[in-house]
Formats: sequence, C-alpha cells, structure tokens
Amino acid sequence: KNQVEQSPQSLIILEGKNCTLQCNYTVSPFSNLRWYKQDTGRGPVSLTIMTFSENTKSNGRYTATLDADTKQSSLHITASQLSDSASYICVVSAIFSSGSARQLTFGSGTQLTVLP
Amino acid sequence: EPEVTQTPSHQVTQMGQEVILRCVPISNHLYFYWYRQILGQKVEFLVSFYNNEISEKSEIFDDQFSVERPDGSNFTLKIRSTKLEDSAMYFCASNLSEQPQHFGDGTRLSIL
Repeated sequence: KNQVEQSPQSLIILEGKNCTLQCNYTVSPFSNLRWYKQDTGRGPVSLTIMTFSENTKSNGRYTATLDADTKQSSLHITASQLSDSASYICVVSAIFSSGSARQLTFGSGTQLTVLP
Repeated sequence: EPEVTQTPSHQVTQMGQEVILRCVPISNHLYFYWYRQILGQKVEFLVSFYNNEISEKSEIFDDQFSVERPDGSNFTLKIRSTKLEDSAMYFCASNLSEQPQHFGDGTRLSIL
C-alpha cells in the first residue's frame, strides 16, 4: 500500500530561524514528489516538484531534497516568516496502471507555527 | 493567475439527502480530480477524470458518488444519499498531464 509519512507532526520556531521537515514514502511506481503548503481553510498550493533524477530544488526560501534510493525527502525553510505558518504536506505521485493520470498519496503534514 | 474555483464554500445537508459540489477547473486543463479531507486527517484521493470519463477511483468512491462534466467548464461531484461520515472538506483539482495539480479552496460539507 502506498504510504507517505512525515515528521515532525508539529513544529514551533521563532521568526527568522531555519527549519527542516522530513518525509518518507513507499509509493510505487514513483512518478514525482511534491511539497505543498496548506493554509488553514485553503486548498494545498504547490511549492516544489521533483522527479526521480532530481536531488534538490529550490523555490525562494524553500529548498527540497530527494533521495530516491532511501525514499526520503526534506523541505528546508530558511529565514522563516510569520506567513510561513501553515501545514506542509509531502505528496508523492504514482502513475496509474492506465497511464492516464497521476494518483497522489498525501502525508499527514507538518503543522509549522512561526512565532514573532 | 488562473485558479480552480469551488462552490459553495460551505454546504450543510440533512443525512440521506443528495448533494452536488461544483468546481470550475482551469480552462486549458485536461485532468480533473476530487479529494476529500476529513477534519484532522490527511487528504485522500477520490477520483480522477479525463477525456469525459473516470480514469481511476479509490475504494472511497463507491456507488453513492458520481462525477460529471456537464459542459465545457464545470466538474461536479454528486453524493446520492449522504451519510454522517461524508462530512469533510472536498477539494477539486486540475492539471495538464505533467504539471502539478492546482487545487481549489474546497467545499466544507457538513452532514446533520
């Protein structure tokens, strides 16, 4: 069964500090891995997307890494801001057997709180 | 930037009643999806739709659920006879084949 596990479940940091969120997955056949940010009451918004051959990808203050051998990913946030407070969800995409679309398996998310 | 829009934002329905959740995907997207998120739990895949038919569906998507693309813009999720456990946030998403899925802000469905 495809699974995505995230840690920690919640994290509190002070504004300006860095943090790293972890994701482990068992999804097959692997297509890509995405990190989404979900603000309370809103839909998820894509931050990064990485395929099998990519080890790292940055989007502003967000840097995601992927180790396809160990099936682990991390999301590093630098110089955190109050607006970074949200749930960060690791989502792994598998290719459906029909090949017609991608099935997303969601992690439970890490709830990040940035305090002033 | 184009967005996926969902209506209504909150739907309250009596148990056993039918409910239709509406979504307008991004206009040039070809793949459409429905997900649900029960309060405090992770987002779960329900169904994907491509070329006017269901591509894949999860075990959650039983005979009580159906999807339609009645015209060129709307994508709907119908629940025929709602149960208490259908209470959740329902997200619509769309994408082109290799691009990230774009999510709407969801419809909160409350079954009384």
